[in-house]
Amino acid sequence: DSGVTQTPKHLITATGQRVTLRCSPRSGDLSVYWYQQSLDQGLQFLIQYYNGEERAKGNILERFSAQQFPDLHSELNLSSLELGDSALYFCASSPGPQETQYFGPGTRLLVL
Amino acid sequence: EDQVTQSPEALRLQEGESSSLNCSYTVSGLRGLFWYRQDPGKGPEFLFTLYSAGEEKEKERLKATLTKKESFLHITAPKPEDSATYLCAVHQTGGSYIPTFGRGTSLIVHP
Repeated sequence: DSGVTQTPKHLITATGQRVTLRCSPRSGDLSVYWYQQSLDQGLQFLIQYYNGEERAKGNILERFSAQQFPDLHSELNLSSLELGDSALYFCASSPGPQETQYFGPGTRLLVL
Repeated sequence: EDQVTQSPEALRLQEGESSSLNCSYTVSGLRGLFWYRQDPGKGPEFLFTLYSAGEEKEKERLKATLTKKESFLHITAPKPEDSATYLCAVHQTGGSYIPTFGRGTSLIVHP
């Protein structure tokens, strides 16, 4: 158990809908990362927050947004969902911006 | 362009047959190289962090080494429970906070 929690574990929704994925980092970690992993694809970095502020942005679609709250938990919002958004979404946390990342168990999203 | 390449893509071993996985990287400056293990449908599990050429770290049957251009993950006398995908990732110096992950090596160890 890495200490990073993600909810929900599974999510099934329809195209066009909007969902919110939640992540709680390890105690004491200030940095949160979001990744997408599709079937047969590697880990695609989406976005990173450090102590409430956006620190780095990767291949994140405009339909996706994220934020980190004062208690350091983070949410990833996915809107106008498409079939291709079906994937595993992972959250990771680290003490600082470029330190070892510890991953959560992921949220499996299925868009029908 | 900064890049992380892992080889082979897939590796099948017999139980007890030692081997090595490779992670080569091209970044302007290395801040840290990370190895993870990922089981199907689960989050990557942290294994090692290496910071400078010549550094080595060990954990049970795994040993990670680092040179200026690549890292090796040596697996000694593997067991079926070592079957997983092994990922490496690189953080570079110079202010970019975007980590770069390789595509991984899928390891299957047959009993």
